[in-house]
Amino acid sequence: DAGVTQSPTHLIKTRGQQVTLRCSPKSGHDTVSWYQQALGQGPQFIFQYYEEEERQRGNFPDRFSGHQFPNYSSELNVNALLLGDSALYLCASSLKAGTEKLFFGSGTQLSVL
Amino acid sequence: GQQVMQIPQYQHVQEGEDFTTYCNSSTTLSNIQWYKQRPGGHPVFLIQLVKSGEVKKQKRLTFQFGEAKKNSSLHITATQTTDVGTYFCAGHNNDMRFGAGTRLTVKP
Repeated sequence: DAGVTQSPTHLIKTRGQQVTLRCSPKSGHDTVSWYQQALGQGPQFIFQYYEEEERQRGNFPDRFSGHQFPNYSSELNVNALLLGDSALYLCASSLKAGTEKLFFGSGTQLSVL
Repeated sequence: GQQVMQIPQYQHVQEGEDFTTYCNSSTTLSNIQWYKQRPGGHPVFLIQLVKSGEVKKQKRLTFQFGEAKKNSSLHITATQTTDVGTYFCAGHNNDMRFGAGTRLTVKP
C-alpha cells in the first residue's frame, strides 16, 4: 500500500521561472491538499482538490495554481517564481474532502535563486 | 480568516520532565488534529479531537479539546529523547489550518 508520493524531492529554480510539482495520493484517497512550509514555520494551506476541482483556497496569489487528474493525482504549478517561494511544498491526501486526517508526502524542497 | 496560534514556539526539557503545548483558534473548530514532524521529516498524524471537552490519551501523551472548541493542548508526561520534534495543531473549519508549531528538544 503506497503512501503519498511526491516528485521531485529537490528543485532549484531562478526568479521568474515556472515550476510544476507532482503528487500521488495514498491508495484509496481521493482528495489532495497542498501546503507550503517555510523553514521553522507551520504548513500554510495553499488549496485542496477534490473531484478534479479546487474546493478550498488559502491566501496565496494566482501565481499558484493546481490540477487534479482522474486518477486523483495532482500537480501544483507556480509561475513567476520569487525568492520568497523557497520552501518545502507538502502534499497531503485524505478522503472525500472531509474532516479526516491528512497523510503527508515527504515534500518537494524548492529553492529559488 | 481562520487563524491558529500555538505556544510556546520552543521548549527545551530535561529527559523525564513533562511538556505541554497549547493551541488557540480565532474561530470555533469542527475538529482539531495534532501532528508530529521529526527534523527533516514530514508531519505525521497523531490524533483527532471532535467533541467539546474531549480528552484522549496515547501512552504518555494526553490531548484535550476545549469546551468552546477553540483551544486544545498536548501534554507529554516524562519526556524521552524519542519525543524530539515539532508538534503542530491543525484546526479544521472548512479547511485545515496549522499552527506554527512547538519545537521540542530533550536533553538526555
